[in-house]
Amino acid sequence: DTAVSQTPKYLVTQMGNDKSIKCEQNLGHDTMYWYKQDSKKFLKIMFSYNNKELIINETVPNRFSPKSPDKAHLNLHINSLELGDSAVYFCASSQGEQFFGPGTRLTVL
Amino acid sequence: AQSVTQLGSHVSVSEGALVLLRCNYSSSVPPYLFWYVQYPNQGLQLLLKYTTGATLVKGINGFEAEFKKSETSFHLTKPSAHMSDAAEYFCAVSRSGSARQLTFGSGTQLTVLP
Repeated sequence: DTAVSQTPKYLVTQMGNDKSIKCEQNLGHDTMYWYKQDSKKFLKIMFSYNNKELIINETVPNRFSPKSPDKAHLNLHINSLELGDSAVYFCASSQGEQFFGPGTRLTVL
Repeated sequence: AQSVTQLGSHVSVSEGALVLLRCNYSSSVPPYLFWYVQYPNQGLQLLLKYTTGATLVKGINGFEAEFKKSETSFHLTKPSAHMSDAAEYFCAVSRSGSARQLTFGSGTQLTVLP
């Protein structure tokens, strides 16, 4: 009965690879988000989708592409991974307050 | 535009002592204010929020915060710290009318000493 789930929890990959992180929410919320938390714990919003439509797109390299197949899912695809992409990525959903997933720790070697 | 400043990246208190985590905000419109807690290797959990109405807000786990417009502050307090309170705490602000775009502070790591 997890509200916001992410897979995988850990992701270790080589520079230059392409990877995806999946997010699902069972709360019936209209809005979903992706955040990046760096090594200093600083949290910054990357994207926000409302009813499958992109509404927030912060300054993020275009190697990052969110995809929302339906209201309950917001996946994050990253092309040509770089060392600086290493971080914890959090998905969240809201219909008012935001509920966060457990995070995906991405390590790029 | 909104921003949040959390004073003190690390705070240590003894078990049973008062917890005070500081947050000051900047907002061009009436803000919504939030405190989130992050336990190790977990996502963020909402502790409490201020939207409108009563300026003293009570949250989970015995925490509360007071919105002081004159001081542009939203400090988090708990009368008596417990070992289980050790975590990272984030203050966040959004535009009133929507909690959609949260701007987070840099976080405060709370250590509780036995």
